[in-house]
Amino acid sequence: VQLLESGGNLVQPGGSLRLSCAASGFTFSHYAMSWVRQAPGKGLDWVAAITGSGGSTYYADSVKGRFTISRDNSKNTLYLQVNSLRAEDTALYYCAKDGEYFDANFDFWGQGTLVTVSS
Amino acid sequence: SYDLTQPPSVSVSPGQTANITCSGHHLADNFASWYQQKPGQSPVLVISQDTKRPSGIPERFSGSNSGNTATLTISGTQPIDEADYYCQAWDSSTVVFGGGTKLTVL
Repeated sequence: VQLLESGGNLVQPGGSLRLSCAASGFTFSHYAMSWVRQAPGKGLDWVAAITGSGGSTYYADSVKGRFTISRDNSKNTLYLQVNSLRAEDTALYYCAKDGEYFDANFDFWGQGTLVTVSS
Repeated sequence: SYDLTQPPSVSVSPGQTANITCSGHHLADNFASWYQQKPGQSPVLVISQDTKRPSGIPERFSGSNSGNTATLTISGTQPIDEADYYCQAWDSSTVVFGGGTKLTVL
């Protein structure tokens, strides 16, 4: 199993980014996926989840309405569209593989992509 | 919002047993998982669904969940176990992590 995140960058408050997570080594469409972030020197913070088919999505209250999780099973890729970014969104964003259903058993994690929100 | 509370730090001598607790309202009604994170590395799942140990995780790691408290137990703690440990709970539509516990082996 390999998860490779990309798309992180320095962005101004109010800006947008699209994060990607390329998956390999397992049947991507069979598994739910999540994004989890970690601010510098802080703990883990779950952001969003999506089922294997992409038919259901779930969000933390702190990002609802600003972030959108999606996936392209034909490309084995998970996405996170992040809009209206705030300073408190500055973090390392990990993608994490879940089980066949969204049950928050994150058994594999990527190395993360860094999002920095600053003027 | 649902909160999970962990002690900021726990210290243990090599070879002894370390217990890291995670408290939340009626936590036992939800499954608890535990993650280990070493400096500069991604988290690793060490206990899932209260008590299950994923493949490759040493037998010295075990978990329990009762009432309002989940506990990660490391028996015969080794220096390589020094890390941050996070508990996590799930309730069908949201995921919550505890604040993390720094385990020091000295």
